[in-house]
Amino acid sequence: GNSVTQMEGPVTLSEEAFLTINCTYTATGYPSLFWYVQYPGEGLQLLLKATKADDKGSNKGFEATYRKETTSFHLEKGSVQVSDSAVYFCALSPYNNNDMRFGAGTRLTVKP
Amino acid sequence: EAGVVQSPRYKIIEKKQPVAFWCNPISGHNTLYWYLQNLGQGPELLIRYENEEAVDDSQLPKDRFSAERLKGVDSTLKIQPAELGDSAVYLCASSLDNTGELFFGEGSRLTVL
Repeated sequence: GNSVTQMEGPVTLSEEAFLTINCTYTATGYPSLFWYVQYPGEGLQLLLKATKADDKGSNKGFEATYRKETTSFHLEKGSVQVSDSAVYFCALSPYNNNDMRFGAGTRLTVKP
Repeated sequence: EAGVVQSPRYKIIEKKQPVAFWCNPISGHNTLYWYLQNLGQGPELLIRYENEEAVDDSQLPKDRFSAERLKGVDSTLKIQPAELGDSAVYLCASSLDNTGELFFGEGSRLTVL
């Protein structure tokens, strides 16, 4: 079945450090891929998405590229801020289908 | 525009008691989801509705869990009787189309003693 596996946390970085959170997926066909973020005390919200191979999703300085050959969708940011401290979830849904599946989440803490 | 509204935010009950959670999705969103989120884990789908039809309830433990979405708008998730292992956050989400953007409520945190 469809699933995502993401890097275990927690991840602790200093402000302005480079961030990578790895995510790989297993799916039939051509799923859409997503990163959701959950800030402390808030609900999950969409951070970025990519709907086909080689697409790059970006938002708030975060980027992720849909790599079909490696079945990956790694999240990156060049310079993290304290306000980026949150839990990040990789997710996928099959093409044209609302069946959204989430990874286990990676907690990021950014220290000043 | 109002977001997804869930209630109650917190509920503490003793095992074997019933509990119900309510969700009001964003107006016009046809798809409604109930997810279970255990501490330190990602959301796990319990049930998905397209309008009033449950199109995926394969992960819903039907011996004790039930859900309904009357008139294709609000939804209620019920557990009867609750067990210790049901302690978790119950998330409701809704979406408008097939683009994959889900809008989540803040969740209902259940503690079963």
